Amino acid sequence: DIVMTQSPDSLAVSLGERATINCKSSQNVLWDSNKKNYLAWYQQKPGQPPKLLIYWASTRESGVPDRFSGSGSGTDFTLTISSLQAEDVAFYYCQQYYSLPPTFGQGTKLEI
Amino acid sequence: QVQLVQSGAEVKRPGASVQVSCKGYGYTFTSYTINWVRQAPGQGLEWMGWINTKKGNTKYGQNLQGRVTMTTDTSTNTAYMELNSLISDDTAIYYCARDGRPDSEYPYFDFWGQGTLVTVSS
Repeated sequence: DIVMTQSPDSLAVSLGERATINCKSSQNVLWDSNKKNYLAWYQQKPGQPPKLLIYWASTRESGVPDRFSGSGSGTDFTLTISSLQAEDVAFYYCQQYYSLPPTFGQGTKLEI
Repeated sequence: QVQLVQSGAEVKRPGASVQVSCKGYGYTFTSYTINWVRQAPGQGLEWMGWINTKKGNTKYGQNLQGRVTMTTDTSTNTAYMELNSLISDDTAIYYCARDGRPDSEYPYFDFWGQGTLVTVSS
């Protein structure tokens, strides 16, 4: 199984400041034939299911604010929130879908 | 709009079985795989498996092999997950989630059910 490791485990950022969450996979998740990274990011608020933010490492899901962006390739990825809003307080998870089983990072708790 | 609506909370004794349902609305149910993901209290996300809603074939996570069965009823656009021989470690919120790509076997998850809490306790 591909192990996904996020850092940090928790993060406190001031309103309006930039938040950066890292995700590292134990194996490459870049598919050579289509040059796509099989990496997604989710946001989960208390009492709610996860919400898809980003897929293909950098494609924003419809309706997701453009302050959320994803970057990286191969084994190292980053989720950036450019200007933190109060409603962004949540857990964030990365997930690889390069191989089965799909696996998630342990999560990063983002606070203000 | 796309919605996945799950059945309600369950309390089960160790050794019992539980079945959770997931009804899809607002899209062509048989075009997308349904996955099941669980989350133990205060813990992260664990993929359990998927069912191809058109063909009915399944893929299960290795740690649940032999205890989990996923089925689908295309006449009602409903997927089911049954977990047998329950133990206390199976206490979790169980989510169904749609694969973000039609006819894919390597999923990311674009729509999620609201979750079903299954509590295993004697």
